[in-house]
Amino acid sequence: EDQVTQSPEALRLQEGESSSLNCSYTVSGLRGLFWYRQDPGKGPEFLFTLYSAGEEKEKERLKATLTKKESFLHITAPKPEDSATYLCAVPYSGGGADGLTFGKGTHLIIQP
Amino acid sequence: GAVVSQHPSRVICKSGTSVKIECRSLDFQATTMFWYRQFPKQSLMLMATSNEGSKATYEQGVEKDKFLINHASLTLSTLTVTSAHPEDSSFYICSARDRVSSFLNEQFFGPGTRLTVL
Repeated sequence: EDQVTQSPEALRLQEGESSSLNCSYTVSGLRGLFWYRQDPGKGPEFLFTLYSAGEEKEKERLKATLTKKESFLHITAPKPEDSATYLCAVPYSGGGADGLTFGKGTHLIIQP
Repeated sequence: GAVVSQHPSRVICKSGTSVKIECRSLDFQATTMFWYRQFPKQSLMLMATSNEGSKATYEQGVEKDKFLINHASLTLSTLTVTSAHPEDSSFYICSARDRVSSFLNEQFFGPGTRLTVL
């Protein structure tokens, strides 16, 4: 069974304090790992797709990396506006063709 | 680009009534759209996959007669919650996959619809 586990569940940082969020996955044949940002009461906003181990992608203060078992979302010198829940997801081989299996997310709070 | 809209954003209805939610891809064509449900403080759970011009594929445990899905065009899918009950209250979110870049598996999400059944 495909599984996606994110840690920590919640993370509180001071503005400017860099850190990393973890997403470990167990799937049979990875067809992409996705990172999304979700603000309260809104749909997920697409951030990155990673397809192969060693791949890295960056966007502003965020950088996503991928290994064969996990992905990290590194946040450098975060600002309060980076506060959100960060979700990772993988396509799964269930009944829904290429539907996504999501982790439970990391609730990130950046304090000014 | 890759904008997905949903309507309505919020709906309150009485128990036993039906509610229709629309999902539109605004600037791309989507052969496949997905419907998810998210309960408070939980992650998104896939309910069904909607393919243009064919029947939807439902995930295990999702009642197809209760959650009717229609994908009549490349830019519109609808979810109808029939005979809604309080336990159907949730945040319903659709996503769409661009027809052109579907091999990338990337999905773009709508803003969600908050359903409250009294």
